[in-house]
Amino acid sequence: AQTVTQSQPEMSVQEAETVTLSCTYDTSENNYYLFWYKQPPSRQMILVIRQEAYKQQNATENRFSVNFQKAAKSFSLKISDSQLGDTAMYFCAFMRSAGGTSYGKLTFGQGTILTVHP
Amino acid sequence: GAVVSQHPSRVICKSGTSVKIECRSLDFQATTMFWYRQFPKQSLMLMATSNEGSKATYEQGVEKDKFLINHASLTLSTLTVTSAHPEDSSFYICSARDRLGGQGGYGYTFGSGTRLTVV
Repeated sequence: AQTVTQSQPEMSVQEAETVTLSCTYDTSENNYYLFWYKQPPSRQMILVIRQEAYKQQNATENRFSVNFQKAAKSFSLKISDSQLGDTAMYFCAFMRSAGGTSYGKLTFGQGTILTVHP
Repeated sequence: GAVVSQHPSRVICKSGTSVKIECRSLDFQATTMFWYRQFPKQSLMLMATSNEGSKATYEQGVEKDKFLINHASLTLSTLTVTSAHPEDSSFYICSARDRLGGQGGYGYTFGSGTRLTVV
């Protein structure tokens, strides 16, 4: 079974600064997808960024980028120029890309509460 | 983009009664729906996976008879909490994966969640 670990329960950052959220995972799969989701106080889950394991290039979405280290099974999220609206709980998630009973299921990490201070 | 409408957003019910939560995919066909439970400041725990027209697959430890899931159409899935008790109080979230994989690829569209309080 896959596991996802986020070792930072809480993080804080000043507005306009950069912050990095950590995520490690454990899997025996070679093909899979990794995600970062954001859950603001409204509790609506919002996809931040997605990475396909077969792609060596790190995914980027505007101010959000990842550092994907497949061998180390690490998938950190960097938020640049942090904004007050980035305050939320962030979840790292894993999905295997092959078939089987767990196909399509997302395995979430414990989450990191990020607070952006003005 | 893809939208999943989840209702009700909040519900308070008496112990022993049943509550139904609905999730509708508004602009796509949700072939697979996932149901999660989330406690405050904790992660999402998958309860069950449902595919349109077939029985739901429940995760280990989830009571099938307490959490009834119906996915009778490609746009509607429901979760019914039967004989609810205070320990069932939680935040329930649905997530849909459409034929194209949702959100332009292998992603999922989440409902806005339902806060259930059993008194």
